[in-house]
Amino acid sequence: QLQLQESGSGLVKPSQTLSLTCAVSGGSISSGGYSWSWIRQPPGKGLEWIGYIYHSGSTYYNPSLKSRVTISVDRSKNQFSLKLSSVTAADTAVYYCARAPPRPRVPYFDYWGQGTLVTVSS
Amino acid sequence: QSVLTQPPSVSAAPGQKVTISCSGSSSNIGNNYVSWYQQLPGTAPKLLIYDNNKRPSGIPDRFSGSKSGTSATLGITGLQTGDEADYYCGTWDSSLSAPVVFGGGTKLTVL
Repeated sequence: QLQLQESGSGLVKPSQTLSLTCAVSGGSISSGGYSWSWIRQPPGKGLEWIGYIYHSGSTYYNPSLKSRVTISVDRSKNQFSLKLSSVTAADTAVYYCARAPPRPRVPYFDYWGQGTLVTVSS
Repeated sequence: QSVLTQPPSVSAAPGQKVTISCSGSSSNIGNNYVSWYQQLPGTAPKLLIYDNNKRPSGIPDRFSGSKSGTSATLGITGLQTGDEADYYCGTWDSSLSAPVVFGGGTKLTVL
């Protein structure tokens, strides 16, 4: 059974960089041609897609966050990562990592991590 | 303001049927597949429906999905108290907005 687990700092100061990692177990991040994504949910609000890293290693980001986001993959560690720079209180949210099928323009997410709360505060 | 519009809340009694709507446009629902997620309190979203009407393994057939034009609907029959959750629709959007979009979510209360 595939499992995803987020880890990283739960408290980040304004203007600093948020860094999270998603460890994938129960399967290889490199097999099956899947894409890997980050999605966030501010407290009491809905879901917001942050971006993908495709099997090829190419990335695709939400235009509203593109200038601040970097998603990368470390295949040797079977994990992928999120960096979000210049954070503000508006970036406070539960951050989820998730897997998407290898189908262009078909963004459903079949496996999710449990989520990790990141609070931006001084 | 979400690109996809869902009712904020719906409610029904145990054993009854409920539907949750998701309204979009030709740039998203009208030309792309829709998925649905269930988010129980304090947990991660769980995929319920993909490709408009397909259920992943393990999802009971009490849950169904459909799409017509620029709207999609999630149906739940035989409601159980354990179905109380937030439900989200999602799809691809080919406009200038984010390519992956979700509805604002619908809170289901089982009375």
